[in-house]
Amino acid sequence: GESVGLHLPTLSVQEGDNSIINCAYSNSASDYFIWYKQESGKGPQFIIDIRSNMDKRQGQRVTVLLNKTVKHLSLQIAATQPGDSAVYFCAERNLNKFYFGSGTKLNVKP
Amino acid sequence: EAQVTQNPRYLITVTGKKLTVTCSQNMNHEYMSWYRQDPGLGLRQIYYSMNVEVTDKGDVPEGYKVSRKEKRNFPLILESPSPNQTSLYFCASSNRVNNQPQHFGDGTRLSIL
Repeated sequence: GESVGLHLPTLSVQEGDNSIINCAYSNSASDYFIWYKQESGKGPQFIIDIRSNMDKRQGQRVTVLLNKTVKHLSLQIAATQPGDSAVYFCAERNLNKFYFGSGTKLNVKP
Repeated sequence: EAQVTQNPRYLITVTGKKLTVTCSQNMNHEYMSWYRQDPGLGLRQIYYSMNVEVTDKGDVPEGYKVSRKEKRNFPLILESPSPNQTSLYFCASSNRVNNQPQHFGDGTRLSIL
């Protein structure tokens, strides 16, 4: 099966700092990538996505970078806030199937 | 309000007793999918459906069945549940599978004793 992994299971940052969450994916044929945020007791919530023909995409306070050469995806959160504390998942799509990483827990310290 | 609704949210049952988890979306989405979430393993896709009457296996389909008789509904069926199916289950939908993020329900926690 597919393997979508994360470099760090837990990330602690100070409020106001920038956060970077990393993800490695295994299938070079994957053509679409998504970052989700999951808060306790809730389903994953869409943050930002990127297609394989792009290498960077920006949203409000978030940026996703895609490096297809090394099969690496990252999520950058600017000026991290307490409300950003959650588990973050990357996901890749290959054909019509989706594969998720195991998640990174982001702790924001006040 | 656009949403994906799962029922029940929690269920404790016994091995071998058939159960169905319902999923309904009100966004007229073509693509629907079921996932299970286990600690350390993230979300794994069980089954997906590209449209009415079209279903396909995901990564971990063993022990599960699905149906897609109507566009809005995509029930997950466990014909003979076993303890290894104890997990947190999520249903999701999207407008089209191509470059559209999925909307997730709030999950169903199943405990099979």
